[in-house]
Amino acid sequence: QQQVKQSPQSLIVQKGGISIINCAYENTAFDYFPWYQQFPGKGPALLIAIRPDVSEKKEGRFTISFNKSAKQFSLHIMDSQPGDSATYFCAARRSGSARQLTFGSGTQLTVLP
Amino acid sequence: DAGVTQSPTHLIKTRGQHVTLRCSPISGHKSVSWYQQVLGQGPQFIFQYYEKEERGRGNFPDRFSARQFPNYSSELNVNALLLGDSALYLCASSSEGGMSYEQYFGPGTRLTVT
Repeated sequence: QQQVKQSPQSLIVQKGGISIINCAYENTAFDYFPWYQQFPGKGPALLIAIRPDVSEKKEGRFTISFNKSAKQFSLHIMDSQPGDSATYFCAARRSGSARQLTFGSGTQLTVLP
Repeated sequence: DAGVTQSPTHLIKTRGQHVTLRCSPISGHKSVSWYQQVLGQGPQFIFQYYEKEERGRGNFPDRFSARQFPNYSSELNVNALLLGDSALYLCASSSEGGMSYEQYFGPGTRLTVT
């Protein structure tokens, strides 16, 4: 199974709140899990990424939590700002020589001022 | 430092025509991947090239082809265009070796097929 399932499809959060986006996968051969942020008309920008040997990674207001046994990972955006309003994609890369990423379906985040 | 660059930015083609999209990776990156992003969906992997050789191919028809040049830039070609080929075509570059896994995307080429 190559799918990565992402939820919710859309999310509305008040300024200063916490945004949480979840992803689940089936393939245990995935060994790298990045999150991308995409603004309208732009390409995805790498936000933060994690390897399965780590349960949590934090960079500024962004935190990835990883649960290997449940095959789930999530993105937490603390102190959400209107400028964070964008579409967020989780992805996973299968171990091996190819660098192909399998993406989730995306979450459209709106942070209200 | 310049990021991944793609050309053209936008393109309008007619069904049945052929299109060539171009990508220049980040300086020092030797791997280029192509993705198709249909509106409202996540990117779908098309090809990966490293050192001019195809490393991976996604579930796309043979109408899609690509190549990588000695300077690591790349072209994606699509023949016999269909309406369903309308999408944002993204190029991503990555370095090889060591523990580098990051892929960095360009702004994309918006292809509209009429």
